[in-house]
Amino acid sequence: DQQVKQNSPSLSVQEGRISILNCDYTNSMFDYFLWYKKYPAEGPTFLISISSIKDKNEDGRFTVFLNKSAKHLSLHIVPSQPGDSAVYFCAASAQAAGNKLTFGGGTRVLVKP
Amino acid sequence: SQTIHQWPATLVQPVGSPLSLECTVEGTSNPNLYWYRQAAGRGLQLLFYSVGIGQISSEVPQNLSASRPQDRQFILSSKKLLLSDSGFYLCAWGTNRVGQPQHFGDGTRLSIL
Repeated sequence: DQQVKQNSPSLSVQEGRISILNCDYTNSMFDYFLWYKKYPAEGPTFLISISSIKDKNEDGRFTVFLNKSAKHLSLHIVPSQPGDSAVYFCAASAQAAGNKLTFGGGTRVLVKP
Repeated sequence: SQTIHQWPATLVQPVGSPLSLECTVEGTSNPNLYWYRQAAGRGLQLLFYSVGIGQISSEVPQNLSASRPQDRQFILSSKKLLLSDSGFYLCAWGTNRVGQPQHFGDGTRLSIL
């Protein structure tokens, strides 16, 4: 039972345009959501997070939106740069479960120059 | 600042051989420690986590075990490797604070022949 799903395995976008990555979850106990970026042969690096009491969090070119009623979140990258080409993982945690992270399957983003 | 080290970076082992992967964290005390596996084309699956020395929780039944002999040392082991143990293994550290991200090492690519 996948509690966190990223239904788009890959995304291709032109440099300078917006990248939109989507993530859906099923567990209503999740109270924090995080996005990680991963290059090949490296560990994931933390990008941005959002608490379930908010619907938007912005950090530079990265904005995460949360729609609790739809159990859906998205990551917007504007403008996209070639260095953004990587695999992006959505993750969720629940305080009641000891803050363990449940990851989605990842979305591979390719930013074309 | 905190750093996390994993070694080796790559490992090729025959079926039936033992395994020991080591992870150490610097710059923090009493961290939560985690072992994840990423199978090819898949997301990150939590294998084990530890909230203190000698305290190990297993998330999925498997051929692997984990130990935490020191506060900032986490070891992933197997007595006899299976072909299905191939994958990318990641160690991470975190805290008990709600919403705080986990921070990952660079991983070990394990290939079983």
